[in-house]
Amino acid sequence: GEDVEQSLFLSVREGDSSVINCTYTDSSSTYLYWYKQEPGAGLQLLTYIFSNMDMKQDQRLTVLLNKKDKHLSLRIADTQTGDSAIYFCAESIAGTYKYIFGTGTRLKVLA
Amino acid sequence: GAVVSQHPSWVICKSGTSVKIECRSLDFQATTMFWYRQFPKQSLMLMATSNEGSKATYEQGVEKDKFLINHASLTLSTLTVTSAHPEDSSFYICSATGTGVTDTQYFGPGTRLTVL
Repeated sequence: GEDVEQSLFLSVREGDSSVINCTYTDSSSTYLYWYKQEPGAGLQLLTYIFSNMDMKQDQRLTVLLNKKDKHLSLRIADTQTGDSAIYFCAESIAGTYKYIFGTGTRLKVLA
Repeated sequence: GAVVSQHPSWVICKSGTSVKIECRSLDFQATTMFWYRQFPKQSLMLMATSNEGSKATYEQGVEKDKFLINHASLTLSTLTVTSAHPEDSSFYICSATGTGVTDTQYFGPGTRLTVL
């Protein structure tokens, strides 16, 4: 089936690093994405990685991609209370513009 | 860049009425728009894909006569929930992708529909 799995919940202390994991299914995905959703809001694109890359860094965000294991992770350095939200990974379906979304990880940052 | 808006942000309607939700790409031409539905504490469920000037493609299990989608221009798509019932209450989110923005989807802020 087409399931993109994420752990449901993560709690970290302010200033620590957060690592959110995602296991995807389609090895032919061209791009993989990370989105952030705050309560009652739409999805904000955080970053994306092309499938032929292993790592991408963008300020506090680091994305790691392990194609062999179909594993994607998002590391947030120096996590702040404003980072509290739900984080969704998504994989693009090859040949279409459609996405398969992960189940979402709720990140709670403790002051 | 790549800003998508939705209107209204929330709407309450009576059972049996129809509700129209607009999705606009503000600074790019959206050749493809998507409509999602999100239940509380759940992920997004794709309802349909619409391409400008053609009929929408609905996902399995989504009633095309109930959820009417129109993508008449490169910057506007509308979702009309016809004869709404309480079970249609949900958070509806649109996204858009287009020329010059790879195949990344840019999302609107969502519309919360409550049917009484």
